[in-house]
Amino acid sequence: AQSVTQLGSHVSVSEGALVLLRCNYSSSVPPYLFWYVQYPNQGLQLLLKYTTGATLVKGINGFEAEFKKSETSFHLTKPSAHMSDAAEYFCAVSGRADKLIFGTGTRLQVFP
Amino acid sequence: DTGVSQNPRHKITKRGQNVTFRCDPISEHNRLYWYRQTLGQGPEFLTYFQNEAQLEKSRLLSDRFSAERPKGSFSTLEIQRTEQGDSAMYLCASSHRKGVTQDYGYTFGSGTRLTVV
Repeated sequence: AQSVTQLGSHVSVSEGALVLLRCNYSSSVPPYLFWYVQYPNQGLQLLLKYTTGATLVKGINGFEAEFKKSETSFHLTKPSAHMSDAAEYFCAVSGRADKLIFGTGTRLQVFP
Repeated sequence: DTGVSQNPRHKITKRGQNVTFRCDPISEHNRLYWYRQTLGQGPEFLTYFQNEAQLEKSRLLSDRFSAERPKGSFSTLEIQRTEQGDSAMYLCASSHRKGVTQDYGYTFGSGTRLTVV
């Protein structure tokens, strides 16, 4: 079985500051890991995914995440926050069954 | 390719009424997923199809819920005798699997927001 824990339901940063959103996973099989972003009243947009290969994954809008098996983590980072990054972010895990299991989300606020 | 389309975008219904939502996936995708998202929570898996076959149903999918994908293209999700607890965003996603290869390119629709009054 798979599960995801997102630490911190709300994260606030200043524009230009580092963004760090934390995600830890549990999986009985090698995991596939995802970060999605959701704007109000919208669906989910894929930021990046890890399936196999390089553990540092680069995504859209300057985001990246690193798969650390020893720490069972897949934290999302962005060097410099922009006002347009304000949204809800979801970490998700998938195993052989292919369905996505989501965390509870982290709301990112960006202050000018 | 216009992405995953969901209709309607919003639905307000009275408790006890039946509602039906539609999802049109990306045309070349053979897998279709339904999720439910309540306020302040992450999406929760409900069910998924490969072509017309329903391969898995969550325990969240009570007897009042039924999903179909009759021709392996669009899908419908029906909720009978709606309850206030059914109020949520219902999200559809599609992906493609060929043999043991899953592209993991899940694409989500914009969702249908259901309000039961």
